[in-house]
Amino acid sequence: DGGITQSPKYLFRKEGQNVTLSCEQNLNHDAMYWYRQDPGQGLRLIYYSQIVNDFQKGDIAEGYSVSREKKESFPLTVTSAQKNPTAFYLCASSPLGPVPGYTFGSGTRLTVV
Amino acid sequence: GDSVTQMEGPVTLSEEACLTINCTYTATGYPSLFWYVQYPGEGLQLLLKATKADDKGSNKGFEATYRKETTSFHLEKGSVQVSDSAVYFCALTGPTGNQFYFGTGTSLTVIP
Repeated sequence: DGGITQSPKYLFRKEGQNVTLSCEQNLNHDAMYWYRQDPGQGLRLIYYSQIVNDFQKGDIAEGYSVSREKKESFPLTVTSAQKNPTAFYLCASSPLGPVPGYTFGSGTRLTVV
Repeated sequence: GDSVTQMEGPVTLSEEACLTINCTYTATGYPSLFWYVQYPGEGLQLLLKATKADDKGSNKGFEATYRKETTSFHLEKGSVQVSDSAVYFCALTGPTGNQFYFGTGTSLTVIP
């Protein structure tokens, strides 16, 4: 079955450390997205990519970095520069086109300890 | 810019009660409109969508009608079940269709 896989489901990080969240899709979707979800604030876009080797900043890109070396993969690195990284992170993918359907992964909950 | 405003929660209903979650939008052009559902600890799943004015999206007993005149896309269900307990997000796509704008989510709890 096609889908989008995020790993790990739970992640703990010490302050000052970088950490990378994995997102892989086998849907042959061109576009991939990272969102951050905090209680009461809905989803905020961190980065998105519509093509391999290209990506764009979203609304809250500071303290994050991404890469898109393969169509299937869009890892997110939470750097030590991110002041408040504890959150639920969601990856999504979609085909390009006027009415894309977003397919979401099941999320990674990152906790800084 | 484009945005979505949805009814604040939390909402608590008894089983078999009627549900309405309000959603209004601001957009340039003619966006597509969506409702997503998120169960605890999970990602979001597409519940229903509508791509043009007067379209009605429906799924699992939920319905929403794209009202251009009132810029609304309210989610309705005639008889909720305990299994409907989740967070519901209204969303729209911008003119290029590749970026979603989400509302803040409405938490629904259905009690037996």
